[in-house]
Amino acid sequence: DTGVSQNPRHKITKRGQNVTFRCDPISEHNRLYWYRQTLGQGPEFLTYFQNEAQLEKSRLLSDRFSAERPKGSFSTLEIQRTEQGDSAMYLCASSPGRVPRETQYFGPGTRLLVL
Amino acid sequence: SQQGEEDPQALSIQEGENATMNCSYKTSINNLQWYRQNSGRGLVHLILIRSNEREKHSGRLRVTLDTSKKSSSLLITASRAADTASYFCATDAVSGGNTPLVFGKGTRLSVIA
Repeated sequence: DTGVSQNPRHKITKRGQNVTFRCDPISEHNRLYWYRQTLGQGPEFLTYFQNEAQLEKSRLLSDRFSAERPKGSFSTLEIQRTEQGDSAMYLCASSPGRVPRETQYFGPGTRLLVL
Repeated sequence: SQQGEEDPQALSIQEGENATMNCSYKTSINNLQWYRQNSGRGLVHLILIRSNEREKHSGRLRVTLDTSKKSSSLLITASRAADTASYFCATDAVSGGNTPLVFGKGTRLSVIA
């Protein structure tokens, strides 16, 4: 399967714990995006990478959230000191990076439940 | 914040009928995209229409764009049970740079066999 993959698919954690999610984009894609989606809502943008550079961050991305893409390939999203409000689906997407605002290819998401 | 707003929020039709979903947005755009999401899964890109296009077709999908009204519609013809999903419009802003896509809240389509 050469699509976007995300791990884990599901995560249950206790409030206050740290969690880390991984995204592997389509191999030749330069751009990688993280979104958060809560029930009944559309995806909301969190952050975006062009290769290894983090170019944009949403106001939704509090200090407890950090994302990296160390070698311009896979990316990790870490949430520290999780809160119940962090419960959501975390979606990763990638795009080739040939033109701006192009089609994005989404992974299956990581569903987080904070107890 | 979510720029696009889909209408209706939910739609239930019989197999074989056509389904029409609408999307309204607030700011000028470069293009508008429609995505589908099956329950609890990632999003799948359906179609992209550029701001200088008025209509686009892809298989059983027909998308229109009216930039003067800041609205778009997605028509699915001869619907099938497998079309049951949530449908989202996504827009970018002309403000430029690396503006990410902004999604609406979606229309939940149920196609009853």
